[in-house]
Amino acid sequence: ETGVTQSPTHLIKTRGQQVTLRCSSQSGHNTVSWYQQALGQGPQFIFQYYREEENGRGNFPPRFSGLQFPNYSSELNVNALELDDSALYLCASSPTGTRYLGTQYFGPGTRLTVL
Amino acid sequence: ILNVEQSPQSLHVQEGDSTNFTCSFPSSNFYALHWYRWETAKSPEALFVMTLNGDEKKKGRISATLNTKEGYSYLYIKGSQPEDSATYLCAFNSNTGNQFYFGTGTSLTVIP
Repeated sequence: ETGVTQSPTHLIKTRGQQVTLRCSSQSGHNTVSWYQQALGQGPQFIFQYYREEENGRGNFPPRFSGLQFPNYSSELNVNALELDDSALYLCASSPTGTRYLGTQYFGPGTRLTVL
Repeated sequence: ILNVEQSPQSLHVQEGDSTNFTCSFPSSNFYALHWYRWETAKSPEALFVMTLNGDEKKKGRISATLNTKEGYSYLYIKGSQPEDSATYLCAFNSNTGNQFYFGTGTSLTVIP
């Protein structure tokens, strides 16, 4: 069973640029959630994708957008990067998106630095 | 904004000591409470998911309890070992949506 993987591991961008982060779900999982963890904070929910559709969104502006592909891998896109976007971005997969009582399986994260 | 708090923020204990920490969450709209263990440079690893008031879960030397009426969960580690050193995160799942609300974590260091 393959775990959740994320790429790249680290990334440095400048303010105003755009970035794409990638996540491969654990085998058999059709739901992906993305989280942002800023320094000293817990992970904050960005959004969730279930079977290629957005299935819930946290308090993040529209310049944070996502995609889920037919193989259930996912991308997080951030436009017009700001310094405050510097954070660890985690993705997590789970077998189903709706009222699932089991756990989410996390990847190791992508560390984004915005200069 | 839904608030999930963990205490203490960090903890240093000697090998063999037992320890516990707290996760506080809203007592309304409860659906589930999750505990994760997160070692540096690794992925967060699920420990427990708890859904019923009074739930107690155990995995080896680690156990957790849940009180949904007063909005708290305790995580206990018996006979701490250096390999228990990690950040322990709790996440609250309300019945009004799919998202997890995480606390800021408790960083545990076990000194050999």
